[in-house]
Amino acid sequence: DSGVTQTPKHLITATGQRVTLRCSPRSGDLSVYWYQQSLDQGLQFLIQYYNGEERAKGNILERFSAQQFPDLHSELNLSSLELGDSALYFCASSVEVDNEQFFGPGTRLTVL
Amino acid sequence: DQQVKQNSPSLSVQEGRISILNCDYTNSMFDYFLWYKKYPAEGPTFLISISSIKDKNEDGRFTVFLNKSAKHLSLHIVPSQPGDSAVYFCAAGQAGVGGGADGLTFGKGTHLIIQP
Repeated sequence: DSGVTQTPKHLITATGQRVTLRCSPRSGDLSVYWYQQSLDQGLQFLIQYYNGEERAKGNILERFSAQQFPDLHSELNLSSLELGDSALYFCASSVEVDNEQFFGPGTRLTVL
Repeated sequence: DQQVKQNSPSLSVQEGRISILNCDYTNSMFDYFLWYKKYPAEGPTFLISISSIKDKNEDGRFTVFLNKSAKHLSLHIVPSQPGDSAVYFCAAGQAGVGGGADGLTFGKGTHLIIQP
């Protein structure tokens, strides 16, 4: 158990819909990262938040957004969903100066 | 353009022998490298890391070697055990300005199979 929690574990929805994925980082970790793992792709970095502020952006679509709240939990919002958005979405966290990122168990999103 | 490459999709090793997983990178700005292990239906688990100021880091049965001039790193597992069977991801990143790390760039993984 990495100490990072993600909810829900599974999510099934239809095209055009909007969903919110939630992540609670390890206690004391200030940085939260979101990654997407599609069927034939490795882990793709989406976005990072550090102590409530957006810090780095990767391959995140404009239909996707995220935020980190004062209690440091984070939410990833996916809107206007398409079939190709079906993937595993992982959240990871790290402390301020360590680069090791600890991953949650992931949320499997299926868009029908 | 894949900045982190793991050219072997799978590797089969006999139990008790050494497993060597390889990784190449192209971005010379990377200064931190990590290995993760992943079982099906679970998130990646951090194994070991190395910063660019070192060329070797050891943790129990796991050793990571970094060759900066060749932009190559490898993970050695010795002796290999059945529980080591998993997908291993190599990842690279840059320490962020002001503290904290930016997103990691992952390879596509190598499926290690330990045979009894």
